[in-house]
Amino acid sequence: QSALTQPASVSESPGQSITISCTGTSSDVGAYNYVSWYQQHRGKAPKVMIFDVSSRPSGVSHRFSGSKSGNTASLTISGLQAEDEADYYCFSYTSSSAPWVFGGGTKLTVL
Amino acid sequence: QVQLVQSGAEVKKPGASVKVSCKASGYPFTTYSMHWVRQAPGQSLEWMGWIKDGNGDTQYSQKFQGRLTITWDTSASTVYMDLTSLRSEDTAVFYCATGSKYFYDYWGQGTLVTVSS
Repeated sequence: QSALTQPASVSESPGQSITISCTGTSSDVGAYNYVSWYQQHRGKAPKVMIFDVSSRPSGVSHRFSGSKSGNTASLTISGLQAEDEADYYCFSYTSSSAPWVFGGGTKLTVL
Repeated sequence: QVQLVQSGAEVKKPGASVKVSCKASGYPFTTYSMHWVRQAPGQSLEWMGWIKDGNGDTQYSQKFQGRLTITWDTSASTVYMDLTSLRSEDTAVFYCATGSKYFYDYWGQGTLVTVSS
């Protein structure tokens, strides 16, 4: 089972917006609305930021939003803040033999 | 509130096995599945396997088939991840994670397993 494809790194200035893509296939991202996004700060456990493509858990800032088009899901962070600097991973249910798959991760740098 | 507390760091020699525990609290233990996720140093998260809520059936990533066993002790509200035939590439932080059916609300703190001769 191949990992979902994410850009290795992205960077943007504080206050700006950024979108991280997550490309899968018609067996995972394209087939199910079960894409979630996790934020991971160095040395910490991941934290869910978006689930079911576009739903936000309580307590997560409204600056985080998710969407999907075809086989590609996206995480958008608006009004970037220094605290947003972290690694971000997408995660999807899949019809393959291993029913879940992560993306390769994207390192976000807030300049 | 839901808490997942994992066992401490381990150092193992190549060829050995490791058993990592994940003690859950704050919810009826068998109502949530438990997943295990691996993260090698500087690498991505990697789904390993899960033990299903209710009946305790297990399913593993093909990558770990034959080396990975996930079990639970319902009386202790604890899930175990047993990985055998360790090699240096298995050096990683292992996380247990649970929550809703298709995503993880809750994570353990992680357990570092170092495989070194």
